[in-house]
Amino acid sequence: DAGVIQSPRHEVTEMGQEVTLRCKPISGHNSLFWYRQTMMRGLELLIYFNNNVPIDDSGMPEDRFSAKMPNASFSTLKIQPSEPRDSAVYFCASSFNSGVGTDTQYFGPGTRLTVL
Amino acid sequence: GIQVEQSPPDLILQEGANSTLRCNFSDSVNNLQWFHQNPWGQLINLFYIPSGTKQNGRLSATTVATERYSLLYISSSQTTDSGVYFCAVVGFGNEKLTFGTGTRLTIIP
Repeated sequence: DAGVIQSPRHEVTEMGQEVTLRCKPISGHNSLFWYRQTMMRGLELLIYFNNNVPIDDSGMPEDRFSAKMPNASFSTLKIQPSEPRDSAVYFCASSFNSGVGTDTQYFGPGTRLTVL
Repeated sequence: GIQVEQSPPDLILQEGANSTLRCNFSDSVNNLQWFHQNPWGQLINLFYIPSGTKQNGRLSATTVATERYSLLYISSSQTTDSGVYFCAVVGFGNEKLTFGTGTRLTIIP
């Protein structure tokens, strides 16, 4: 398996622009997670999906952030409008969800976002 | 929510040395994973270890769930072991991985 695939790997944009990050989970996995890593806050969960349904979005910083999972093999994280404080590395992870939280999460390579 | 503390925050060792990294957590956990973030930023799974002991080559991990801590052992360190090691846990009743702040390991040739 190719593992979790994220695109783009690097994104540089200007403040106010829309940014879309993409993720393809490992085939057969039914849970998908979006994380953000910054120097100040470390690694933090933004949102996760089970069977394409958003379960917990309490980590989404504000309304400028939105995430979708239209099917089992694709998810997007969108920021509109982007701000310099959104600069971070965004990771996508997936797992096979047995329903009790005991499953190993596998991480993608991340997207390094820089908002100027 | 559950708190995860890692120690030491930084560790500098000579190549060939052994090291022990510690992870303390504030509540019972259903899931505990150790990750290595390499200098290129990739997060690599090392162990899934909510309890017990596991070994993989020069690395081993032990989690004592009743005492709420886990240890990662690295023997005969190599320069490629450099990077940040994270412990992450999931508390009972949810699926959110909560990460510690990491231990930055630097191996000097």
